[in-house]
Amino acid sequence: KNQVEQSPQSLIILEGKNCTLQCNYTVSPFSNLRWYKQDTGRGPVSLTIMTFSENTKSNGRYTATLDADTKQSSLHITASQLSDSASYICVVSARLTDKLIFGTGTRLQVFP
Amino acid sequence: DTEVTQTPKHLVMGMTNKKSLKCEQHMGHRAMYWYKQKAKKPPELMFVYSYEKLSINESVPSRFSPECPNSSLLNLHLHALQPEDSALYLCASSQYGDMNTEAFFGQGTRLTVV
Repeated sequence: KNQVEQSPQSLIILEGKNCTLQCNYTVSPFSNLRWYKQDTGRGPVSLTIMTFSENTKSNGRYTATLDADTKQSSLHITASQLSDSASYICVVSARLTDKLIFGTGTRLQVFP
Repeated sequence: DTEVTQTPKHLVMGMTNKKSLKCEQHMGHRAMYWYKQKAKKPPELMFVYSYEKLSINESVPSRFSPECPNSSLLNLHLHALQPEDSALYLCASSQYGDMNTEAFFGQGTRLTVV
């Protein structure tokens, strides 16, 4: 069964600190993996998208890694800001389908 | 322009009403999607349109009726909804429907059924 699991479920950090979110997937055949940021009640916004051959991709203070052998990905946030408070969703697509498989998200809260 | 625009942002409707949600994109994308998202849950796929034709219907009740008038527009017609249909409805688009390309989401319509 195609699944995407994320950890932790929720995370609280202080402003300026770094954090890492985890994503494990069992989607096959793998096409690509995306990280989205979603503010409460708003649509998801893409942070990164990585294919099988990419190990790391950065978008400002966000850096995603992908290990296609172990089927794991991480999202590292550097020097967190209050505006980083949101849900971060790991999404995987399988080849030859029109569907995205969503993880349940990590709820991040950044406090001053 | 990398925007997917959804209207209205908020909608309250009675169970006997008929309303429509609208979605628009001008990125030349040929695939458009409707998702339903309940609080603290991931989005659930409802419909996929590829090249203006319905390609996926995830066994959605007939009280939800999608329509794709042209390649830039996607509508979701609502009729005789139930309170449990209250949710955030998200529209998304991608260049093609094979999910190898970036998917852009709209800001959503917050629907409340009373």
